[in-house]
Amino acid sequence: EVQLVESGGGLVQPGTSLKLSCVASGFTFSDYWMSWVRQTPGKTMEWIGDIKYDGSYTHYAPSLKNRFTISRDNAKSTLYLQMSNVRSEDTATYYCARSGGSSGFAYWGQGTLVTVSS
Amino acid sequence: EVVLSQSPTTTAASPGEKVTITCLASSSVSHMFWYQQESGASPKLLIYSTSTLASGVPDRFSGSGSGTSYSLTINTMEAEDAATYYCQQWSSNPWTFGGGTKLEL
Repeated sequence: EVQLVESGGGLVQPGTSLKLSCVASGFTFSDYWMSWVRQTPGKTMEWIGDIKYDGSYTHYAPSLKNRFTISRDNAKSTLYLQMSNVRSEDTATYYCARSGGSSGFAYWGQGTLVTVSS
Repeated sequence: EVVLSQSPTTTAASPGEKVTITCLASSSVSHMFWYQQESGASPKLLIYSTSTLASGVPDRFSGSGSGTSYSLTINTMEAEDAATYYCQQWSSNPWTFGGGTKLEL
């Protein structure tokens, strides 16, 4: 069974950094592109970016590429999202998802809530 | 970026009724994807490549469309179908989602 488990969310102050993790199981992690998607409190869905199966290529939403960095450790079957200089508008539930262009975001984690507030 | 506009924003249906949700793209896309999100849960892939049902999805769901106009149809509404539905495109970077359609029983 495919499982994706995010962690690392919480209450953070504006201007600080935060790193989210997503541990994968139930499939060969190193065979798949992976993505981060966030959902705002108003339920708007926003794709953040994705990373190639071997980690050699990343691809971001233009509005976020200067502050967010996606990485992965295939030995640990773990996906990461480094968020820097966070803002109140980054408050959202962050999901990792297994992705692949023709098959969409086929599997999603349970999400981790990030709240940016002073 | 490709903007996806869903309609209606909210709708309600009784068991057995047919439901259609529309997704209009601001420019042509080659395929559409649909996700179902039940209250308090993560999104779940429903349909990929416009019309292919994801594993385990009941065949009362169907998808169709091309170019800038796509739709998701529930042939006969069931109580468990009450959820929010999102369309999503993978043709033009950045990948974008529609605003969602809340379907109530």
